[in-house]
Amino acid sequence: ETGVTQSPTHLIKTRGQQVTLRCSSQSGHNTVSWYQQALGQGPQFIFQYYREEENGRGNFPPRFSGLQFPNYSSELNVNALELDDSALYLCASSSGTSGREQYFGPGTRLTVT
Amino acid sequence: QQQVKQSPQSLIVQKGGISIINCAYENTAFDYFPWYQQFPGKGPALLIAIRPDVSEKKEGRFTISFNKSAKQFSLHIMDSQPGDSATYFCAASRIYGGSQGNLIFGKGTKLSVKP
Repeated sequence: ETGVTQSPTHLIKTRGQQVTLRCSSQSGHNTVSWYQQALGQGPQFIFQYYREEENGRGNFPPRFSGLQFPNYSSELNVNALELDDSALYLCASSSGTSGREQYFGPGTRLTVT
Repeated sequence: QQQVKQSPQSLIVQKGGISIINCAYENTAFDYFPWYQQFPGKGPALLIAIRPDVSEKKEGRFTISFNKSAKQFSLHIMDSQPGDSATYFCAASRIYGGSQGNLIFGKGTKLSVKP
């Protein structure tokens, strides 16, 4: 186990709705990255937060947004859900000062109907 | 444009055999190459990683071979076991400012080890 936790485990939403996913990073880690993993694909980078600031973003539209809190936990918000947003959402934590390793949580399975 | 190409898509190996998964990358700025193992319903777990200043790294039954000039790297699983049956992902990233950049993943290889 990595010590990275995510909630909820599963979620079913309707197209057009909004969703918030949560992640608690591993103790001592100040960087959180979010990834989207479609079925049968590798994870794709959404964005990264370092010390409460966005520190890089992948090719995802602005309706994907995030937050990082002083305790380094993080939220991923997705507005105006589309059917293609159905995926496993993964967060990964790492140490911004010395770590090269990203440790993933178990993910949140989002289904959009 | 896919920056990390992984092959094969699936692999069947007999127990005790060697599993070999290959990856090729395009961006010469990449300087960190991890492999992740993912079981169904779980998040990816870091298995082993290498920097381009070494050609090989071994941890237990897992070995990464790295060919900088060819921009290729591979994972070898020696003495493969049924418990190794999982999906394996190679990835690449740039290290800057002491912090790992975003990981670019391959599409994955589904490994089945037959008893």
